[in-house]
Amino acid sequence: DGGITQSPKYLFRKEGQNVTLSCEQNLNHDAMYWYRQDPGQGLRLIYYSQIVNDFQKGDIAEGYSVSREKKESFPLTVTSAQKNPTAFYLCASSTAHSNTGELFFGEGSRLTVL
Amino acid sequence: AQSVTQLGSHVSVSEGALVLLRCNYSSSVPPYLFWYVQYPNQGLQLLLKYTSAATLVKGINGFEAEFKKSETSFHLTKPSAHMSDAAEYFCAARGGGSNYKLTFGKGTLLTVNP
Repeated sequence: DGGITQSPKYLFRKEGQNVTLSCEQNLNHDAMYWYRQDPGQGLRLIYYSQIVNDFQKGDIAEGYSVSREKKESFPLTVTSAQKNPTAFYLCASSTAHSNTGELFFGEGSRLTVL
Repeated sequence: AQSVTQLGSHVSVSEGALVLLRCNYSSSVPPYLFWYVQYPNQGLQLLLKYTSAATLVKGINGFEAEFKKSETSFHLTKPSAHMSDAAEYFCAARGGGSNYKLTFGKGTLLTVNP
C-alpha cells in the first residue's frame, strides 16, 4: 500500500544528544513536510521541501536540520540546540505545485527528552 | 499571511446530537480550505476540502462543511454524532499563487457522550 512511514514511533533522548527521525514515502510525491505538534498549539511547520536537494525553513526551524537527497526520503534531525524538543513530530507529503492538493500524513514520532 | 482560527478548543456533544466545529480564516485571496481528523497518537486524515468548485463540501464519515466567503468561515458539521467521532479536528488553509504552505488552526477536541 502507498503511504508515509515514520520511524521510530517513540524515541527517548538525553539532553545534549542529536536524534534523527526517519520519513519515507512511496506516493511519488514531490513535496514533503515536517510539522511539530504540541498540546493546544496545533501543527507548526518546521521545514519543507518541494524538490530533491532543495528545502526551506518553516516557522520554527531553529534547532532542526533536514536533508532531501532522495525523492522518497526526508529525515529530520533534532539537534541539541533545540531548547524544548519533547513533542509529537509529523511528516507529510503532497503533490507539488498544487494549491488544491491535500497533505498525506505519517503516523508520527513522539520524542521525549529525559 | 494566512491565519486560521478554530473557536472552541473543546466541544462536547451527546451521541446523536448535531456536531458543529467552527473555523474562520483570514486571507486577502481566495483560500483553499481543509478539515483533518486526528485520533490519539496517530497522524492526520483528510475529512474534506474546499477548492472553489462548490461551497457545500461533503466528506467522509458523514461530515460536511460550508464555505461562506462573506463570513470568512468554513464550519464543519455532522447531523448526528457517533461515539467513533471522538477525536481532534483541525482546520487548515492554503493561500493562492505559489504559496503552497498549509496553515493549521490549533484544533478542536470533540468529546461524544453516551
